[in-house]
Amino acid sequence: AQTVTQSQPEMSVQEAETVTLSCTYDTSENNYYLFWYKQPPSRQMILVIRQEAYKQQNATENRFSVNFQKAAKSFSLKISDSQLGDTAMYFCAYLDSNYQLIWGAGTKLIIKP
Amino acid sequence: DAGVIQSPRHEVTEMGQEVTLRCKPISGHDYLFWYRQTMMRGLELLIYFNNNVPIDDSGMPEDRFSAKMPNASFSTLKIQPSEPRDSAVYFCASSFRGGDYGYTFGSGTRLTVV
Repeated sequence: AQTVTQSQPEMSVQEAETVTLSCTYDTSENNYYLFWYKQPPSRQMILVIRQEAYKQQNATENRFSVNFQKAAKSFSLKISDSQLGDTAMYFCAYLDSNYQLIWGAGTKLIIKP
Repeated sequence: DAGVIQSPRHEVTEMGQEVTLRCKPISGHDYLFWYRQTMMRGLELLIYFNNNVPIDDSGMPEDRFSAKMPNASFSTLKIQPSEPRDSAVYFCASSFRGGDYGYTFGSGTRLTVV
């Protein structure tokens, strides 16, 4: 069965700094999709970024980018120029062949002014 | 599009009462998911539908929980009778073609059973 592991329960950085959140996963599949979701205090789950496993190129969305290492089964999220509004829980997720998302436990990110 | 719409946003009820949570998915999405989120257990998938048909309800905790999707634009999650351990945030999410572009979540219903 697929598993997703986020090893950092909580992180905090100063505003404008760069922060990297870690995620590893386990799967025997070759084609799959990975996601990062953000859950701010408002509790809305927001899709941040998406990666297709068969694409070598790392996904980028404005200040958010990933470092996808397929062989290592690693999918880290980098947030550049962090802002106060980035304070949230961040979840890494894997889409399995039954179209179900397998979730990591989450990393609580605090951006300090 | 207004996104996935859930109601109510908050619900407080007494133990033993029936609770009905509602969800309107994004138009054109063919998958609908019901999740429960608690501090202890994180995000749990309860049930999901494809084209209004329930596909997997193995996450439904027990017979007190039931879900329906009578048409492509509406789904309900019902708890009868409710218990304090059902207190959680319940999310509805929808996706197109199984979710390879991600799920879109509603804003959730915070249920408190006293």
